[in-house]
Amino acid sequence: AQRVTQPEKLLSVFKGAPVELKCNYSYSGSPELFWYVQYSRQRLQLLLRHISRESIKGFTADLNKGETSFHLKKPFAQEEDSAMYYCALEEDDKIIFGKGTRLHILP
Amino acid sequence: GAGVSQSPRYKVAKRGQDVALRCDPISGHVSLFWYQQALGQGPEFLTYFQNEAQLDKSGLPSDRFFAERPEGSVSTLKIQRTQQEDSAVYLCASSQGLGSYNEQFFGPGTRLTVL
Repeated sequence: AQRVTQPEKLLSVFKGAPVELKCNYSYSGSPELFWYVQYSRQRLQLLLRHISRESIKGFTADLNKGETSFHLKKPFAQEEDSAMYYCALEEDDKIIFGKGTRLHILP
Repeated sequence: GAGVSQSPRYKVAKRGQDVALRCDPISGHVSLFWYQQALGQGPEFLTYFQNEAQLDKSGLPSDRFFAERPEGSVSTLKIQRTQQEDSAVYLCASSQGLGSYNEQFFGPGTRLTVL
């Protein structure tokens, strides 16, 4: 069963415009959620995690248990934000990834 | 310091051949994970180790897949009698321990193509 859903395969946003990458999950209990990013020709890396409540590179993500969502947001897109983004949750020490959304920032 | 390394970076195998993929974790990391990433998909969990103990292998797709970490450091993922559906990028990750507070650091992956 799909545990993490990212409905958009590709999202194109103009530089300076707001960005929202959608993520919905199905999980019983309190999930531990993450966003991972993979820039071109680089390895997969952690962007942020729910438990830390941090903002990394201007990105934030809020857990909405009612909507079972963990959308990634940034108020003003930058060209260097172009990358592949994966939403993920932890279950029994394993990371379960969504299929990913490719974010393309237009100049 | 050095990150997670994987070798080979690319592997082409004929259907039916056996392959072995190596992962060198970050020094001192006790947890090691293997993932399979098919084209256009997110990584999918295969198995993980805590030191030399394989704690979960529920993600291995068939008994043709076997992973080991005999000395609790380097790990090898072996695929016997490869099939075309095994074509994917195989990612290795390591962490200081288990749980959400321990970040998994990923290697560059091995791209396996089965002809």
